[in-house]
Amino acid sequence: KAGVTQTPRYLIKTRGQQVTLSCSPISGHRSVSWYQQTPGQGLQFLFEYFSETQRNKGNFPGRFSGRQFSNSRSEMNVSTLELGDSALYLCASSLGPRADGANVLTFGAGSRLTVL
Amino acid sequence: GQQVMQIPQYQHVQEGEDFTTYCNSSTTLSNIQWYKQRPGGHPVFLIQLVKSGEVKKQKRLTFQFGEAKKNSSLHITATQTTDVGTYFCAVRGGSNYKLTFGKGTLLTVNP
Repeated sequence: KAGVTQTPRYLIKTRGQQVTLSCSPISGHRSVSWYQQTPGQGLQFLFEYFSETQRNKGNFPGRFSGRQFSNSRSEMNVSTLELGDSALYLCASSLGPRADGANVLTFGAGSRLTVL
Repeated sequence: GQQVMQIPQYQHVQEGEDFTTYCNSSTTLSNIQWYKQRPGGHPVFLIQLVKSGEVKKQKRLTFQFGEAKKNSSLHITATQTTDVGTYFCAVRGGSNYKLTFGKGTLLTVNP
């Protein structure tokens, strides 16, 4: 079956602009998580969605937002871009929350954002 | 949220040498997951440990979960150049079981 698809794969923006990234999860997966990866900070959790509801949110400013659609596809948006937002943005899908927290993530290839 | 310390940050070995990375938590974990990210790639799930003292093997990789469920290790026997990459542990915590990743250990292998 198809994996997690992220678009676009690469993009260049300038400071002050906004960007929208898209993620299509594995068919049947209803949970989508977003992570920001930078060389200095590693994998930083942004948010997690399940059934169109945000279940978890990381410690990022309000410029970072996301949503999930009824078909489980998700988008994240970053407004008023700053140089420090340059990073690889990874989306991961899973079947959904489990009481034992044991659900496994399948990552997409990521969207590499460069802010000039 | 849940915090986990991963060491070392970097490890360079000669091909054929062994490698170990460790994850430590100050609190008891319900489970721990390990992921590998190849250079230029994305994290890929390797394994999940759930039980106290659990040991799992995948070919040359051995994963252990501590008896107190506060630490875990990944050991690679006789490294190969294909083992190059960053190895992450990940743990869940908080009211909604957010998955938090360790900083990762970057393994490089000299052929």
